[in-house]
Amino acid sequence: SQQGEEDPQALSIQEGENATMNCSYKTSINNLQWYRQNSGRGLVHLILIRSNEREKHSGRLRVTLDTSKKSSSLLITASRAADTASYFCATDFYNAGNNRKLIWGLGTSLAVNP
Amino acid sequence: GAVVSQHPSWVICKSGTSVKIECRSLDFQATTMFWYRQFPKQSLMLMATSNEGSKATYEQGVEKDKFLINHASLTLSTLTVTSAHPEDSSFYICSASRGTSGFSYEQYFGPGTRLTVT
Repeated sequence: SQQGEEDPQALSIQEGENATMNCSYKTSINNLQWYRQNSGRGLVHLILIRSNEREKHSGRLRVTLDTSKKSSSLLITASRAADTASYFCATDFYNAGNNRKLIWGLGTSLAVNP
Repeated sequence: GAVVSQHPSWVICKSGTSVKIECRSLDFQATTMFWYRQFPKQSLMLMATSNEGSKATYEQGVEKDKFLINHASLTLSTLTVTSAHPEDSSFYICSASRGTSGFSYEQYFGPGTRLTVT
């Protein structure tokens, strides 16, 4: 399946430390997106990286994309307790029927301890 | 900009009844809307994609007659869970996109609707 895989599944760090999450996928993509979800809530779009981009920054977030390895990483620097949430990657691609869709990874649950 | 709302935010219904969930794009026109389902501590599962004015495209394994989707306008899509059963209890999330093509686009997500069927 196209479903992305993320690791680690769960990550617990201290406030101020950096958090790195990885995402791998299986087929060619148009772009890859990272989202955040607080427990039982909706999703918040964090950052989108196109297939021809290798790195992108947004505030304390840094995303890399390696299309040769079909993988991406999300780095959150100087983490805060408020960063505690689940983080999902989603790959945007066209399926065999030329329908465009997002396919979601399983998510990384991040806990930032004060 | 790009705010998507869902209503209701939570609903409890009895087995056998039908429930309608609304998804609205508040400040933009959504050519395409997506409906997802999420079980506790799991990822999102795409149920269907709907383009305004046409029939929804359902993912494999999703029953069309059970999950009725209507996208009658550029700002509103509805998901009706018909003859709901306890196994339909889940978190339902919609998203909306401005376009169907282009090199990059973004889906804007609603806050989700928690359905509990008793």
